Formats: sequence, C-alpha cells, structure tokens
Amino acid sequence: TQLLEQSPQFLSIQEGENLTVYCNSSSVFSSLQWYRQEPGEGPVLLVTVVTGGEVKKLKRLTFQFGDARKDSSLHITAAQPGDTGLYLCAGEGYNQGGKLIFGQGTELSVKP
Amino acid sequence: ETGVTQSPTHLIKTRGQQVTLRCSSQSGHNTVSWYQQALGQGPQFIFQYYREEENGRGNFPPRFSGLQFPNYSSELNVNALELDDSALYLCASSLVMNTEAFFGQGTRLTVV
Repeated sequence: TQLLEQSPQFLSIQEGENLTVYCNSSSVFSSLQWYRQEPGEGPVLLVTVVTGGEVKKLKRLTFQFGDARKDSSLHITAAQPGDTGLYLCAGEGYNQGGKLIFGQGTELSVKP
Repeated sequence: ETGVTQSPTHLIKTRGQQVTLRCSSQSGHNTVSWYQQALGQGPQFIFQYYREEENGRGNFPPRFSGLQFPNYSSELNVNALELDDSALYLCASSLVMNTEAFFGQGTRLTVV
C-alpha cells in the first residue's frame, strides 16, 4: 500500500517567516501534486511535479520533487496571512492515472 | 471556480439509511474520481469512473457504489450508513485519467 507522510501536521507562524512542508514515502510516484484547501471547499491544485529533482516556483512558493521520486517539499518565503490553509500533497502511481494518494495535510496558520 | 459542482452541500442522515451524492463534471471531462475526507485527514480515493465504467477502486466496502452517466455527471451511493461515514465527500473531474483534476466543493455528510 502506497502511503504519503506529511510533516508537520500543524504550523503556526508569524507573518514574514519562512516555512517548509515535507511529504515523504517509501514508494515511487510518477508525479506529485500540491493542493491548498480552504475550510468548506475542495482542494485547489497549486503545482504538479513530474521529473525527479524538479524544482518549480510559484511566486513565494517553491516546490521540489526528490531525485528518487519518493519525496517532495513545499517552501514558502515571507509567509502572509493569506497563505493560511490546509496544504496537501498527493502522489500518482505509475499507470494509476487520476487515482491520487494524499498525505494527511499540513494546517498552516499565518498570524499578522 | 473549477466548474465542478456537487449537491447537496450538506446532508444529515441516520445510521442505516442510504444516501446519494451528485457531481456535475466540468464540461468535456470524461473521468470522475470520488474521495472521502474525514475531519483532519487528507482525502482517500474511493473509486474512479471513465466513460461510464468503473476504472479502479480504493479500500472501501461494496456498500459504496457509483454511477457515471452519458453526460459524464456522476453519483456516489452509500448504503447502510455508519457513523464513521461522516466526512466531506469530494469529486474530481478530468479530461482523461492522467490530466489535471478539478475538485468540487464537496458534500459534508453527517451520520447520526
């Protein structure tokens, strides 16, 4: 059974601080996706990484896919209150198109 | 807004009852996946439908069943509801199995 372990589960920081969220597995994934979910809403896709070692930047967010395609990280620079939410990583196995395995999520709170 | 709509948004049912949740996919999307998200957890894959056929199932009992219609809308049916079925149920639609999936806002099911 493929599992994704996400850490930390909860993170409370001040505006302007940096943070990193980790997503780890013993399984290899064909791609890994990061989502952000607001209370009462569905997850919204932030980025998809597909190549081992790939780094993608989305404004203040930097996503990295591990060389072995088993882990990923999300780094936020100078966090803002608007970044508050639940961050989810989700892996897609080979030949498992659209069947995502999610981590348990990181609840981020950024205080002004 | 993703173009994926789910109904109803909230629902309260009694243990032992049956429930039907509905999902209207984004226009042109022929693949729909259903997920269960318990409070404080990441979503768990229930099953996927592609062109009206079930195309993969997660670790859920047979009392969870689904349908996809010719217009690609979809239903999730749960029989003999249990208290642990209380969760946010999400559907995600995509053009084909391995392209970006868009999530609806979810249906919050409470079983009492």
